[in-house]
Amino acid sequence: GESVGLHLPTLSVQEGDNSIINCAYSNSASDYFIWYKQESGKGPQFIIDIRSNMDKRQGQRVTVLLNKTVKHLSLQIAATQPGDSAVYFCAENILGAQKLVFGQGTRLTINP
Amino acid sequence: DAGVTQSPTHLIKTRGQQVTLRCSPKSGHDTVSWYQQALGQGPQFIFQYYEEEERQRGNFPDRFSGHQFPNYSSELNVNALLLGDSALYLCASSLQSEQFFGPGTRLTVL
Repeated sequence: GESVGLHLPTLSVQEGDNSIINCAYSNSASDYFIWYKQESGKGPQFIIDIRSNMDKRQGQRVTVLLNKTVKHLSLQIAATQPGDSAVYFCAENILGAQKLVFGQGTRLTINP
Repeated sequence: DAGVTQSPTHLIKTRGQQVTLRCSPKSGHDTVSWYQQALGQGPQFIFQYYEEEERQRGNFPDRFSGHQFPNYSSELNVNALLLGDSALYLCASSLQSEQFFGPGTRLTVL
């Protein structure tokens, strides 16, 4: 079926620590995965994406890992800052479907 | 370069009424997708427009309809509003794969 789920609805980390947000997906036909950040009152903001033919991609302070064997996606944020506090969504694009399927989201809270 | 813009930002309607939401895509983008985001949930795909035609549709009733204009802007129409239609409606534009989201329209149905 089409579903993207997250292991934890909330995550609290200390400022400066690394954060890892996990996501499980169920559709083997997904060819493209994206992580979005959504702050209160705003639309989702693109963070990083990864194609299904890759297993790792790095951006500025963020890394996405894709494990197709267990259908698992993770977002690693290095040296978290107060501005990283938000809800993070993973989304998958199903090949040929022309749409994104979102998970429920994980709220990341940064403690000072 | 303006990103994706949506109007209005907030809207209050009563049950049974009709509503039209508007979206202007990011410059150069030709594809517009609409999503419904209930409180505490992830966005749910409603439909996508490309070349003025609905290209893909999610699991939403026919009360939800849309339109895309020659300048690629788009409208989302919802008829016979229900309390459960209260949500943040997001528009996203794209040229190829990456979708850029607007700030959304917060619809409250009383």
